[in-house]
Amino acid sequence: DVKVTQSSRYLVKRTGEKVFLECVQDMDHENMFWYRQDPGLGLRLIYFSYDVKMKEKGDIPEGYSVSREKKERFSLILESASTNQTSMYLCASSSPRDRRETQYFGPGTRLLVL
Amino acid sequence: GENVEQHPSTLSVQEGDSAVIKCTYSDSASNYFPWYKQELGKRPQLIIDIRSNVGEKKDQRIAVTLNKTAKHFSLHITETQPEDSAVYFCAASSRGGSYIPTFGRGTSLIVHP
Repeated sequence: DVKVTQSSRYLVKRTGEKVFLECVQDMDHENMFWYRQDPGLGLRLIYFSYDVKMKEKGDIPEGYSVSREKKERFSLILESASTNQTSMYLCASSSPRDRRETQYFGPGTRLLVL
Repeated sequence: GENVEQHPSTLSVQEGDSAVIKCTYSDSASNYFPWYKQELGKRPQLIIDIRSNVGEKKDQRIAVTLNKTAKHFSLHITETQPEDSAVYFCAASSRGGSYIPTFGRGTSLIVHP
């Protein structure tokens, strides 16, 4: 069974703080993704990575950066958190070796920026 | 880039009724259309998908249809049950050599017992 874990389920930070969200998958997946989920807006792609040290911007990368130093780990960084980054953050992984390239999601991190 | 529209945003049905969720997409190069279900407090999970070379696919009480000409696809759930209550997301993929889905905004399905 694919397991995608995220470092925190809930996080409260202050405006201007640097925030790290960590995601780990144990299925040797090449692709990893970060989404944010807001009511009525669905799942919006922030960044994705298809290999170690590779990253691509998604639809809403502004205010975020990512790091993929190891295949199993994909980090989302908020350099200077702002209140409009309060959201649910979902990590996902997939593999092009899987014919369906199913996205396996983590449990999510609910971030509140005060 | 791809744009996926999903309707309705909320759907309320009685147990045993059918439910239909519709999506349209903009990029004619899209060729893979997965549907994800997210129960309250849980992570999204793939429930069914369809590729552009197929017009319809069924899996027990759920089915998906695809009209490539009109660029729309639908999820059909028959004989709905309370456990079908969830948010459903459609998606369309075409980007590059790996499937990078663009998701719709989601439909909250409520099945009343």
